[in-house]
Amino acid sequence: DQQVKQNSPSLSVQEGRISILNCDYTNSMFDYFLWYKKYPAEGPTFLISISSIKDKNEDGRFTVFLNKSAKHLSLHIVPSQPGDSAVYFCAASTGYSGYALNFGKGTSLLVTP
Amino acid sequence: GAVVSQHPSRVICKSGTSVKIECRSLDFQATTMFWYRQFPKQSLMLMATSNEGSKATYEQGVEKDKFLINHASLTLSTLTVTSAHPEDSSFYICSGHSGNTIYFGEGSWLTVV
Repeated sequence: DQQVKQNSPSLSVQEGRISILNCDYTNSMFDYFLWYKKYPAEGPTFLISISSIKDKNEDGRFTVFLNKSAKHLSLHIVPSQPGDSAVYFCAASTGYSGYALNFGKGTSLLVTP
Repeated sequence: GAVVSQHPSRVICKSGTSVKIECRSLDFQATTMFWYRQFPKQSLMLMATSNEGSKATYEQGVEKDKFLINHASLTLSTLTVTSAHPEDSSFYICSGHSGNTIYFGEGSWLTVV
């Protein structure tokens, strides 16, 4: 039962434009959300996170938006760079589970020159 | 920053044998570590929570007798895949947390032939 869903398996964006990666979740108990970047056969690299008490968090080119009523979050990357090409995973956790994460299936982002 | 190291990064074993994967927190103490598995182009799935000095907690559908987890010290958790089968071939990743930050290992790619 996938509690975190990333419905777009892939996304292609031109360099310099905005990349928007979407994530939906079903468990209303989730209170902490994270985005990771991952290359094949490597561990995930943390990008940005957001607590459920916020609706936006920004770090450089990365911004995460959280819409609790819609159980939806998105990661915006602007401007997109070719080095951003990777698989992006959305993850969520609850206070009860501590640091155990529920991951989406990932979205493969390709940034073209 | 805190580092989690996994070893080996790649291992090939024969069907029916056992293989051990180590996960070490290099500069922090981890009372709890987590083991994930990722099949190709799939999500990272939480397998179990490894608790220092006590039994691991396994997620539904994960065979505890097949995936033995030992967390004998605050800096080392091991995952032993017993009587490995080709369907156990996967990418295994561990994580630990220091403070509020989650750190992932580099991952271990297991191929059972």
